[in-house]
This record gives sequence, structure tokens and C-alpha cells, in this order.
Amino acid sequence: EAQVTQNPRYLITVTGKKLTVTCSQNMNHEYMSWYRQDPGLGLRQIYYSMNVEVTDKGDVPEGYKVSRKEKRNFPLILESPSPNQTSLYFCASSFTAGGPREQYFGPGTRLTVT
Amino acid sequence: GESVGLHLPTLSVQEGDNSIINCAYSNSASDYFIWYKQESGKGPQFIIDIRSNMDKRQGQRVTVLLNKTVKHLSLQIAATQPGDSAVYFCAENVGWGKLQFGAGTQVVVTP
Repeated sequence: EAQVTQNPRYLITVTGKKLTVTCSQNMNHEYMSWYRQDPGLGLRQIYYSMNVEVTDKGDVPEGYKVSRKEKRNFPLILESPSPNQTSLYFCASSFTAGGPREQYFGPGTRLTVT
Repeated sequence: GESVGLHLPTLSVQEGDNSIINCAYSNSASDYFIWYKQESGKGPQFIIDIRSNMDKRQGQRVTVLLNKTVKHLSLQIAATQPGDSAVYFCAENVGWGKLQFGAGTQVVVTP
């Protein structure tokens, strides 16, 4: 089944404790992206990657890191999480021919930082 | 499911009627626009997209209209069904791969 998977789905952590949210897709997509979603703000792009070893900042990259060593994986790293990073996070992927339009989204990761 | 839009504009539509969801975008250089649907507790799902050199595009029960003069995008859903109840987002590609989303509209379909 074609899908984007994220782990964990739910995470409660404390300020400053490094964490990684994994994202994996099995559709051989070049493009992958991370978003955060907060009530009333819609989706905001954190980082995106057009292909392996290519990553770029979205609108809200501060406090996050990403890497794209393999085509299928795009982990999101929070080196020192803070309470303002409490949010719902989505990973997405798509082919890039003509641009990343038909993105497939993962189920989301609910992160709470206390 | 989880609520993702506590203060979203809401469109209430009677089952069987047509829905029109509006979106204003910000960047006149954006080269394509996308509509997504998000049901409670799920990730967004692609509906339809339109390139900036088009005014209209139709899909199955949906039509997207683009007015570049006033930077306005709309999604029309024909014969709205209960399964259409969701939050709808527009997005614009402001650069190669960089996407910006609107805040969303909650659509509630009543019997």
C-alpha cells in the first residue's frame, strides 16, 4: 500500500530533550516536506527536500533540523525542544515533475513539550 | 478526532446543494495552486490543482477557479454530500517546492 508513515504518532517530552520524528514513504517520491499545524494557522512549512541531499527552509525552520540521506526517509529533528514547538506535525511526499502538487500526507505526530 | 481549526471560518451547506469555498492568496508570482481536504484526525488529502496560466479546472464534482487579477481562488463542490464535511485548505507554490497554505475553511454539511 502506498503510504507515508510517521513515528511516533504521539509524544510528550520535556524542554531541552532532543527528539527525532521519523518519516518514511514507499512511493519513490523525490519531494518530501514537513509541516506544523496549529489551530487557526493552517499548515506552515518547516523544511522541504526536492531530492536526496537537497533540503531547503520553509516558513518556520527555526528550532528544527532535517536530513535527507535516503530517498525514502526524511526525519525531523528537534535538538532542544521548547513549549512553543508543541504542535501537530505532518510529513508529506510527492513526485516533483511539474512541482510538488499532489502531496501524500502522513497521519500526523502530536507533540507536546512541557 | 483532533480539532485542527478552533476558530476557522465555517461554511454550512445543505446536503445536495453546491458549495463554494474561497481563498485569497498573497504572491502574484505563484505558479500553481492546490486545494486540500482534511477530515478530523487525518492528514490533508489532495483534491485538485491549477496552474497559474489557467482560469478554470474541473475534476470529479469539483471545480477550481483562479482570478489572478484579484489573487483569488475558489473551490466549487457540486451536490455536496455528508462525506464532504471537512476543513479545506488552499495552498500556493511561492517558489520551487516552497508552499504556503491558507488558514482553512470548515465545511459542515447538514441533512
